[in-house]
Amino acid sequence: EVQLVESGGGLVQPGRSLRLSCTTSGFTFGDYALYWVRQAPGKGLEWVGFIRSKAYGETTDYAASVKGRFTISRDDSKGIAYLQMNSLRMEDTGVYYCTIGVYWGQGTLVTVSS
Amino acid sequence: SYDLTQPPSVSVSPGQTARITCSGDALPKQYTYWYQQKPGQAPVLVIYKDSERPSGIPERFSGSSSGTTVTLTISGVQAEDEADYHCQSGDSSGSWVFGGGTKLTVL
Repeated sequence: EVQLVESGGGLVQPGRSLRLSCTTSGFTFGDYALYWVRQAPGKGLEWVGFIRSKAYGETTDYAASVKGRFTISRDDSKGIAYLQMNSLRMEDTGVYYCTIGVYWGQGTLVTVSS
Repeated sequence: SYDLTQPPSVSVSPGQTARITCSGDALPKQYTYWYQQKPGQAPVLVIYKDSERPSGIPERFSGSSSGTTVTLTISGVQAEDEADYHCQSGDSSGSWVFGGGTKLTVL
């Protein structure tokens, strides 16, 4: 069974950092690009960024709203992807999902508030 | 990057046909994907590559494309289809873009 499980969310003050993890199982993680998508309370889905597979250099791309503050990485040996979030802002509040497109995790809530 | 435009809401009675549109200048060159999202749940892929249906998705869900507009059609709408529907496309680099989402209400 394919699973993606996000973890690491929580309450954090503006300007601080947080690292989310996406732990996968049930498929060959290294063959897939991994995307992060977020959803602010009561709003639509917003693409955050993605990391390509090793075959494509594990290169990354980010939405303009997070570029320079967020970093995505992956450890194919563990089947885990990470989203390092620095200089967090209140507008970064929301549920963060990891996905390979067909399969999505259940999300982890990040709340940025003082 | 570019924008995808969806109507904020669509309402239909049970058994009728619901059509949800998604418009964007790049859609003739890029595939579109549709996700269903119920309250408190993660999105579920219901249509991929404009008109393909993943296994396990009911046949009443279909997708079509014409120019800069793609359409998700739900035939014979059921109460369980009430949800938010999000279209998603991308660009040549692999980046994604989402529409604003459409709330489908089954009257």
